[in-house]
Amino acid sequence: NAGVTQTPKFQVLKTGQSMTLQCAQDMNHEYMSWYRQDPGMGLRLIHYSVGAGITDQGEVPNGYNVSRSTTEDFPLRLLSAAPSQTSVYFCASREGNTEAFFGQGTRLTVV
Amino acid sequence: KQEVTQIPAALSVPEGENLVLNCSFTDSAIYNLQWFRQDPGKGLTSLLLIQSSQREQTSGRLNASLDKSSGRSTLYIAASQPGDSATYLCAVMNRDDKIIFGKGTRLHILP
Repeated sequence: NAGVTQTPKFQVLKTGQSMTLQCAQDMNHEYMSWYRQDPGMGLRLIHYSVGAGITDQGEVPNGYNVSRSTTEDFPLRLLSAAPSQTSVYFCASREGNTEAFFGQGTRLTVV
Repeated sequence: KQEVTQIPAALSVPEGENLVLNCSFTDSAIYNLQWFRQDPGKGLTSLLLIQSSQREQTSGRLNASLDKSSGRSTLYIAASQPGDSATYLCAVMNRDDKIIFGKGTRLHILP
């Protein structure tokens, strides 16, 4: 039972490069979301989705794009990475108003 | 805008003591409140989920309470152990489907 799987675990990017952080869940959850965690700032919501084909912005969406073509996958795209996007990124999923499950995180450094 | 505050930010207690971690939130129109544990460099592990209609939940040595009207929750840890050392995060699920986190309490249990 894999739960929520994030890849890669670590990534170093140069300023201006693009990349996609992958998130997959095998629990058939409708709701998925992306957070970033920074020292002193806690976890902040970037984007979320309440089902396939539906996405919406969270607290800090600028610089990030998402799509939800299937229930299982919710990739996060950085189109042009900036040093301010250096952070640890977490993906989460849940069904309705139940317990949220988190992936192990992706540690991203932009130089 | 929902704001979640956790006090204290850090806490050190001798092994064996009982302790209480506090969480407050500004908007009482929530679906539920969830407590998580995060070890250094790791993801979030769900500890307890309290629905808005509930007053408390218990799991082993952990007991979480919720007073929605006053916007407060506590996490009680009985007979603390060095293995309880971690950061504890409180998160509320708003009526707009967003989960908002506090910045956490960093707990250190002294052997």
